[in-house]
Amino acid sequence: GAVVSQHPSWVICKSGTSVKIECRSLDFQATTMFWYRQFPKQSLMLMATSNEGSKATYEQGVEKDKFLINHASLTLSTLTVTSAHPEDSSFYICSARGSGEKLFFGSGTQLSVL
Amino acid sequence: KQEVTQIPAALSVPEGENLVLNCSFTDSAIYNLQWFRQDPGKGLTSLLLIQSSQREQTSGRLNASLDKSSGRSTLYIAASQPGDSATYLCAVESSNTGKLIFGQGTTLQVKP
Repeated sequence: GAVVSQHPSWVICKSGTSVKIECRSLDFQATTMFWYRQFPKQSLMLMATSNEGSKATYEQGVEKDKFLINHASLTLSTLTVTSAHPEDSSFYICSARGSGEKLFFGSGTQLSVL
Repeated sequence: KQEVTQIPAALSVPEGENLVLNCSFTDSAIYNLQWFRQDPGKGLTSLLLIQSSQREQTSGRLNASLDKSSGRSTLYIAASQPGDSATYLCAVESSNTGKLIFGQGTTLQVKP
C-alpha cells in the first residue's frame, strides 16, 4: 500500500525555537495533505489542509503565523512550529491523499517543548 | 457542524470474545466513513473504508457497517486477540467540505 513518511518521530526543543516536521509520500503523488494534532487521550484535530503549490487552509483557531505549512511539491509537505512554547507540545500527524479516496497517515511526531 | 461520537471510550475483554465498537455522527452528508487503528505513540492504520452508498465492508475478522440515515456505524471484531489491543478511531469525510472528522476513539484491551 501507499506509504507516508513523517520525520522526525520525536523532537525535544527549548522554548522559543522553531521545529520543522516533514511529511513525504513515498510512492504516490499527494495533491492534498492534511496536518493534525493530538493531545494525550484525545482524538485528532485537523489543523490545516495543504494543496500543492497553493497556500494552506487553516482551521478556525489555528494560528497560521505560528504553524507554517509549505507544500512545495507533490510529495512533500512541511509543518514548522515557530517560536515553540510548552503548550505546543503535542503529537502531530500528517496524512496524504493521492488520486484515490483513502487517506494514508504518517507515523506521527511527538513534540516536547521544554 | 459534524460531530463524531464513539462509545464506549474504553473496553476490556478476555481473549476470544466477539465485540462491537460504536460510532455515531450528526450530519448524514458524508462521503465515506473510515475505521482506523492507532497504537500508543504511533500513527494511524486504515482498517476499513465504507463509501456512503455501501452498507458494510469486511476484512478478515473485522466487519464494519454503515447506516447513513441514522448516523451510525459499528465495527465488529470477531474472536479478539491480545494483538488487537489498540485505540480504534472512527472518522467521517464530509461531502460538503472534504474534511475528515474523527471521533474520540475506543481504547480496547484484550486480555490473554
